[in-house]
Amino acid sequence: AQTVTQSQPEMSVQEAETVTLSCTYDTSESDYYLFWYKQPPSRQMILVIRQEAYKQQNATENRFSVNFQKAAKSFSLKISDSQLGDAAMYFCAYRSARSTGTASKLTFGTGTRLQVTL
Amino acid sequence: NAGVTQTPKFQVLKTGQSMTLQCAQDMNHEYMSWYRQDPGMGLRLIHYSVGAGITDQGEVPNGYNVSRSTTEDFPLRLLSAAPSQTSVYFCASSYSVGQRAQYFGPGTRLLVL
Repeated sequence: AQTVTQSQPEMSVQEAETVTLSCTYDTSESDYYLFWYKQPPSRQMILVIRQEAYKQQNATENRFSVNFQKAAKSFSLKISDSQLGDAAMYFCAYRSARSTGTASKLTFGTGTRLQVTL
Repeated sequence: NAGVTQTPKFQVLKTGQSMTLQCAQDMNHEYMSWYRQDPGMGLRLIHYSVGAGITDQGEVPNGYNVSRSTTEDFPLRLLSAAPSQTSVYFCASSYSVGQRAQYFGPGTRLLVL
């Protein structure tokens, strides 16, 4: 079974600075997808960024980028030029590329709470 | 598009009561699922459906039933609520089982006394 580990329960960053959230995962599969979801106080789960395991190039979405290290099974999220609106829980998630049964589910980490200070 | 909608937003139940959490999507997504979110545990899959008339169990299905009579709707039923079912429930959908991202509803907060 796949597992996702986020070892930083809380992180803090000053506005306009850069912060990196860590995520490691364990899987025996070679083809899968990785995601970062943001959950603000409203509790809505918002997709931030996604990475396909077969792609070597790291995904970027505006101020958000990932460092995907497949051999190390590491998938960190970098937030540049942090804004007050970035304050939220961030969840790392794994999804198998197999399309049968519970393989299609998302496996989540326990989350990292990001605080953004002035 | 309204996306994925859930009702109610918040509900209080007494132990033993039953209720249905509603989920609907207007994106013609084949795949729908229910997760529960508990403190310190991330989200865990309860039940899922790969299309109308097809449902299956996830990681934590005990105490919950689902059905999928239409593509749009995927209700979650609690037959006899227990305090252990106090949680936040999320419905999610995607175009197909193989699609990479799932889209989440706003969540239903359930308190069982």
